[in-house]
Amino acid sequence: GDSVTQMEGPVTLSEEAFLTINCTYTATGYPSLFWYVQYPGEGLQLLLKATKADDKGSNKGFEATYRKETTSFHLEKGSVQVSDSAVYFCALSKGSARQLTFGSGTQLTVLP
Amino acid sequence: DAGITQSPRHKVTETGTPVTLRCHQTENHRYMYWYRQDPGHGLRLIHYSYGVKDTDKGEVSDGYSVSRSKTEDFLLTLESATSSQTSVYFCAISEVTNEKLFFGSGTQLSVL
Repeated sequence: GDSVTQMEGPVTLSEEAFLTINCTYTATGYPSLFWYVQYPGEGLQLLLKATKADDKGSNKGFEATYRKETTSFHLEKGSVQVSDSAVYFCALSKGSARQLTFGSGTQLTVLP
Repeated sequence: DAGITQSPRHKVTETGTPVTLRCHQTENHRYMYWYRQDPGHGLRLIHYSYGVKDTDKGEVSDGYSVSRSKTEDFLLTLESATSSQTSVYFCAISEVTNEKLFFGSGTQLSVL
């Protein structure tokens, strides 16, 4: 079946450091890919998405490129802030409600 | 912020008792979902609804039932709670299946 694998956390960075959170997926067909973010005590929020190969999703300084050849959708940010501390989830979707698959999440802590 | 309210926010109950969690939306979105979040597993779909009285099972539906008698309300029932159902439960809504889900703030359920 479909699956999403994220780098294990927790990840701890200093403010203004470069961030990469790795995400790879296994799926047949052509899934859409998402990054969701969960701030402490809250539900998940959509951060960015890409619907086809080579698409780049971006939002709030975060970027991720849909790489079909490496089945990856790595999340990057050039300069993290303390306010970026959260849990980040990679997910893939193939259209139906039962076909939205989440990774296990990566905890990011940014220190001042 | 999307208008999603989950109740209760926290609940402690005993093994064998019935429990009902409520999700209320003010967005008039067609799709509603119940997920559970457990360490190391990310989010897993329990049940979802694609309209009033239209529901279907997700990945981890055993031991759970749902009902949707009105567009705005989606109830999750644990008929006889077990300790393995201790988890954080999230309700989500979307206009189109699997596109940009909006999540509630979650319900922390502890089954003792």
